[in-house]
Amino acid sequence: EAGVTQSPTHLIKTRGQQATLRCSPISGHTSVYWYQQALGLGLQFLLWYDEGEERNRGNFPPRFSGRQFPNYSSELNVNALELEDSALYLCASSLSRRQGGTGELFFGEGSRLTVL
Amino acid sequence: RKEVEQDPGPFNVPEGATVAFNCTYSNSASQSFFWYRQDCRKEPKLLMSVYSSGNEDGRFTAQLNRASQYISLLIRDSKLSDSATYLCVVNMAGYGGSQGNLIFGKGTKLSVKP
Repeated sequence: EAGVTQSPTHLIKTRGQQATLRCSPISGHTSVYWYQQALGLGLQFLLWYDEGEERNRGNFPPRFSGRQFPNYSSELNVNALELEDSALYLCASSLSRRQGGTGELFFGEGSRLTVL
Repeated sequence: RKEVEQDPGPFNVPEGATVAFNCTYSNSASQSFFWYRQDCRKEPKLLMSVYSSGNEDGRFTAQLNRASQYISLLIRDSKLSDSATYLCVVNMAGYGGSQGNLIFGKGTKLSVKP
C-alpha cells in the first residue's frame, strides 16, 4: 500500500514568488494535515483538512492557504514568499475520528522549499 | 508556558544504557498523547501512543501523569539504531475536540554511541 506522497521533493523560489506543494494521502484517509519544519525548530501546525473542508488552522498568515480535493489529495499554497518560509513542509494523513481513527498521523517525506 | 515542552538534549549515551525523556503539556484537558521518532532528514513516524495506564512495547515504556501534566518515554538497553529525535505529541483539544490540534514538541535528540 502506498504511503503519503508529496511533490515536489525540492523547490527553489525567490522572494515574492508563489509556491504550490502537493500531497496524496494514504488510500482511505480523509484527513490531511500540513506542518512546517524550519531548520532547528519543531513541527509547526499549518492546516488540517477533512472531507474537503478546512477544519483547523495554525498561527500562520493568510498567505499560507490550501485546499483539499474530492479525492482527498491536498495542495498547500504559499504566496508572496519570504526568506523565512524556507523549510521542510510535511504532509500527513490519518483516518478521521468518524472513521475510527486513533489520531495517528502518517507523514510523507516532505517538500523542501528554499526561498532565495 | 509552552504548549508542549521537551528537553532538547542532546542525550549522548552508550549502547545498553537506559534513557528517559520527559515532556510537559499545558492543556489539562488534553486526551491524546503520542511519541514519534524522527530520523535525520526523514519524516516523523509514530513510535507509540501513550495510554493513561502506561504502556510498554519491547524496550520502550511510555507513561502519562495527568496530575502533573507530563509524559515520559523510557528506552532500555539502547541500541545504536535508537539514535534519532524523539517528538512528544499532544492533542491539545479535550474529548471530542478538534483532532487537528496535534501539537508537536521540538523533540529530544538521542545519540547512542558504541
